[in-house]
Amino acid sequence: NAGVTQTPKFQVLKTGQSMTLQCAQDMNHEYMSWYRQDPGMGLRLIHYSVGAGITDQGEVPNGYNVSRSTTEDFPLRLLSAAPSQTSVYFCASSSLRGSPLHFGNGTRLTVT
Amino acid sequence: AQSVTQLDSQVPVFEEAPVELRCNYSSSVSVYLFWYVQYPNQGLQLLLKYLSGSTLVESINGFEAEFNKSQTSFHLRKPSVHISDTAEYFCAVGSNNNDMRFGAGTRLTVKP
Repeated sequence: NAGVTQTPKFQVLKTGQSMTLQCAQDMNHEYMSWYRQDPGMGLRLIHYSVGAGITDQGEVPNGYNVSRSTTEDFPLRLLSAAPSQTSVYFCASSSLRGSPLHFGNGTRLTVT
Repeated sequence: AQSVTQLDSQVPVFEEAPVELRCNYSSSVSVYLFWYVQYPNQGLQLLLKYLSGSTLVESINGFEAEFNKSQTSFHLRKPSVHISDTAEYFCAVGSNNNDMRFGAGTRLTVKP
C-alpha cells in the first residue's frame, strides 16, 4: 500500500507564481486534509474534506484553494504565492469519526 | 473549535531516565486524543490514541498516556527513554466533525 502520496517533495516559487500541491491516497478514506508546519507553531489546518464534492476551511485558509472531485485526490492550490507561504505542507487522510490521520511525507515549499 | 497546548517546547533528558511530555486541551464536545511522533525529515506517525474506555493507553514502544477529563490533560510518559526516542512529539485533539487540531510540538532530545 502506498498510503498517502504527496508530490512534489521540494518546490521553489517566486512571489506571485501559482502551483498545485498534489495529494493522493489509496485507502478509500473519506476524510482528507492539508496542514502547514512552521517552527514553533505545530501543524495548522488549512482546508479539509469529508468526502468527494465537500470541502471546508480550517484555521489558516487564506491564499489556498482546494477541490475534491474524487475520493482519492485532494490537491492544494496556491494562486499567487507569497513569502509567508514558505512552509512544509502535509496532506493527511483518515476514516471518519475519530480515526487517526495517515500522513504523507510532506512538501517543502520555499517562496522567494 | 477545540485547541491544544503543549506546555514544553523542548525537553532534554539523559538516556534511561523517565520523561513526561505535557498536553492540555480545550473542547466543548467529546474528543478523541492522539499523540504523534515525527522523526527528522519525515511525516507524522501515530504513537497512541484515546477514543473511549480505559483512560490509560499504551504504545508498542513503551510510551503511555493517561486521559484526565477533569484536568483536560493527556500527558505522555515513558519510564526509560532511549537515544532512538529523540524526535518531535505532537499532541492532537479531534472530534466528530474530524477537525483535528495539533499542539505546537515538544522536541525530545535524549542524551547519552
